[in-house]
Amino acid sequence: AQSVAQPEDQVNVAEGNPLTVKCTYSVSGNPYLFWYVQYPNRGLQFLLKYITGDNLVKGSYGFEAEFNKSQTSFHLKKPSALVSDSALYFCAVRDGGYQKVTFGTGTKLQVIP
Amino acid sequence: KAGVTQTPRYLIKTRGQQVTLSCSPISGHRSVSWYQQTPGQGLQFLFEYFSETQRNKGNFPGRFSGRQFSNSRSEMNVSTLELGDSALYLCASSWTGTDTQYFGPGTRLTVL
Repeated sequence: AQSVAQPEDQVNVAEGNPLTVKCTYSVSGNPYLFWYVQYPNRGLQFLLKYITGDNLVKGSYGFEAEFNKSQTSFHLKKPSALVSDSALYFCAVRDGGYQKVTFGTGTKLQVIP
Repeated sequence: KAGVTQTPRYLIKTRGQQVTLSCSPISGHRSVSWYQQTPGQGLQFLFEYFSETQRNKGNFPGRFSGRQFSNSRSEMNVSTLELGDSALYLCASSWTGTDTQYFGPGTRLTVL
């Protein structure tokens, strides 16, 4: 069975500082990994994904994520946080040969002015 | 290109009633998945349809059902509503179901 964990319910960071939102996963095959962001009363917006290739993936709004196979992690990062980045962030995983996507419980990012 | 649309955006029902939610995927997308989002349980997978066939199903009771039409539009139905069914129901579409999913704004269902 596949699973994904987001160990932090909330992350607080000062505006202008780098941010990291953590995600670890477990799959039996090759992982397909995704990050989504959700603003209040909105659906999820796709940020980036890792399928194969370069371990550092760049996505929308200046976000990037690093795939680490040995640590089974896919942490979301941004060099300089904006207040507008405050939202709920979801990590998701799909086992390579299987269609169902499993989402983490979400991490609330609070960027403090 | 228009995004995923869901109707209605808000619904208020009473226990025991049934409800039907609608989802129109991005043009050309053939896979539609449904999720239930609640504060306590996060995002829970309900089911996925591809070319009018249910391809995957989550761990929800039979009161939750869905279907997909030939134009890829999808509906989900919840019968005999319970208070615990109050949630944001999200629909997501993709080309094949194995690639990136794009989400609609959701339908907020409140059961009184």
